[in-house]
Parts: sequence; C-alpha cells; structure tokens
Amino acid sequence: EVQLLESGGGLVQPGGSLRLSCAASGFTFSSFGMSWVRQAPGKGLEWVSAISDSGAGTYYADSVKGRFTISRDNSKDTLYLQMNSLRAEDTAVYYCAKGYSNTWGRAMGVWGQGTTVTVSS
Amino acid sequence: QSALTQPRSVSGSPGQSVTISCTGTTSDIGSYNYVSWYQQHPGKAPKLMIYDVSKRPSGVPDRFSASKSANTASLTISGLQAEDEADYYCCSYAGSSVIFGGGTTLTVL
Repeated sequence: EVQLLESGGGLVQPGGSLRLSCAASGFTFSSFGMSWVRQAPGKGLEWVSAISDSGAGTYYADSVKGRFTISRDNSKDTLYLQMNSLRAEDTAVYYCAKGYSNTWGRAMGVWGQGTTVTVSS
Repeated sequence: QSALTQPRSVSGSPGQSVTISCTGTTSDIGSYNYVSWYQQHPGKAPKLMIYDVSKRPSGVPDRFSASKSANTASLTISGLQAEDEADYYCCSYAGSSVIFGGGTTLTVL
C-alpha cells in the first residue's frame, strides 16, 4: 500500500524555521516527482513546491521562493521541506503528494494526512 | 500565479447531475493537458478523481467525468450520491508551477 507520512509541523514564531519530512513507502520513491501542497485554515489548496524524481529539478510558488527549500533523499525514501523566514500567512496544513507519474506536474496521485504548521508569537 | 476560477458552490439532488467549471488562461489550462480534479471531505486529505483532463484513476466511479475546451475545464458528476458532498478542486500544470482553483463546495440536497 502506498503511504506518505508527514512530520515536523508545530508552532513557530514569525521569522523562525521548520523542516518538514515526508516518509514514503509502498512504491519506488526514486521514480516519482513529489510535491508539497498547503491549506490555510478554512481556505483552499495552494501548491507550494515540487521536485523531480532525481531531485535535479526543483520548483516553487512565488509566495515561498527564496524562503523554502525542497529536497529529497532517495536512499531514505524521504521528502523534505525546509521553511525559513516563516510568516503568519504560512500557517497551514502541509501535505506531501506523490506525482501520478515521473512527471511531477501531471497530477498528485496520493496524498499524506498532512502536518500542521502554525506561525504565531 | 493567480488561482483558477471555480464557482464557490453548486448543489443538486440525489440522482441528478452537476457540472463544476474551472477557468484558467492560455498559460495553464489552455496550454497543457495536465488538468486534474481533487475531492476533499472535511478534515481529510484530498483525493485524485481525474487526471490528464478526463482520465479516471482506478477505483473512481464512472459517474465522474471531465473535459476541457480552450481555457476552461469541467467536472461532471452524474447520479449524485450523498457521499459526493465535498469540496472539489481543479488543478493545472503551468510550466514550472502548478495552479489550483479556489475550490467548489458541492451540496447534495
């Protein structure tokens, strides 16, 4: 069974940092692009970042460019999101999602259960 | 990277059909056949319902169908059932990014 398990969320002060992790299982992790998508309380889905299967290609929404860094460790089947200079508007549930194929932008076939990030003083 | 435009809400009675529209631009929906649709029940993670404009993943009922014309994609749910009541999001590849719609709440009356 394909599973994605996010961790690393929590309460952080504005300007602070957090690193999210997403542990994958049940599929060949290194063969699929991966994405992070967030959902602010009561709001819709917002794509945050994506990474190609090899990790060579990384992509970011304008709202997080320069502050967030996506990465992956294919030897550990784990996806990461390093979040720096956090702002109140980054408060959201963060989901990791498996690309439907090795083309990360095609669709998000499987989603994790999400991890909550709260940015507040 | 403006959000795709969806109606905020739609409704229908059991057994009826409803269609949710999703309007983008020539930079996203109009340029790529990577349009997908997601269903999200309250407190749950989104679920892929449609990919590549009109394809259904295994396990998604054929009551769900979708299409695209120019810069607008559409999701049709026929034979509405109570469990279809949820939020629905369209999504399009846009080159080096992905854009979601604002979401549509489907109410089954």
